[in-house]
Amino acid sequence: NAGVTQTPKFRVLKTGQSMTLLCAQDMNHEYMYWYRQDPGMGLRLIHYSVGEGTTAKGEVPDGYNVSRLKKQNFLLGLESAAPSQTSVYFCASTSTGLAGGSYNEQFFGPGTRLTVL
Amino acid sequence: QKEVEQDPGPLSVPEGAIVSLNCTYSNSAFQYFMWYRQYSRKGPELLMYTYSSGNKEDGRFTAQVDKSSKYISLFIRDSQPSDSATYLCAMRATLQGAQKLVFGQGTRLTINP
Repeated sequence: NAGVTQTPKFRVLKTGQSMTLLCAQDMNHEYMYWYRQDPGMGLRLIHYSVGEGTTAKGEVPDGYNVSRLKKQNFLLGLESAAPSQTSVYFCASTSTGLAGGSYNEQFFGPGTRLTVL
Repeated sequence: QKEVEQDPGPLSVPEGAIVSLNCTYSNSAFQYFMWYRQYSRKGPELLMYTYSSGNKEDGRFTAQVDKSSKYISLFIRDSQPSDSATYLCAMRATLQGAQKLVFGQGTRLTINP
């Protein structure tokens, strides 16, 4: 199993350009997440999905859009990139699980380093 | 005020030392408490998790949760250079029916040979 993979690993954009980050998981997980990690800020949730065809906003959704057309893929789009979106982006996935005392680990991808000039 | 506070360090200790990493939080609804380890230019990996208050031990690592004080700790015994990484505490909450993790800022740890 490859786990969670992210494409691309690195990208440099100019202000105003658009791009899409791809996340793929082969663990048949229902839940997928996009985070950004900035120095001194930890990981912050951008958007998440509880299943194919569904998405929801997280803590810092502005400037990003997402789509989950297939269960194994979760796409993060930047329509008009801004320097404030320079960050490391992580995708994560977990199996269904919120009931009672169960815990389901979130598995993270290796990250995409994005620089917006 | 952030929901989860963690001293970002950096923290540098000699090999073999006992390391203590800590987080405080404000949301009483948190029930699962996690520690993730993140090596440079890699994604976070789950190190340990604890449900509710108490201690949990796994080899050289011990996680402690004190819900009355809203304080969690990770202890590393006999620290090794391979333990050098950023350690992130995380806590699980519910957001619109979905599992959501709230992370601390991460503490950058260096173990010197």
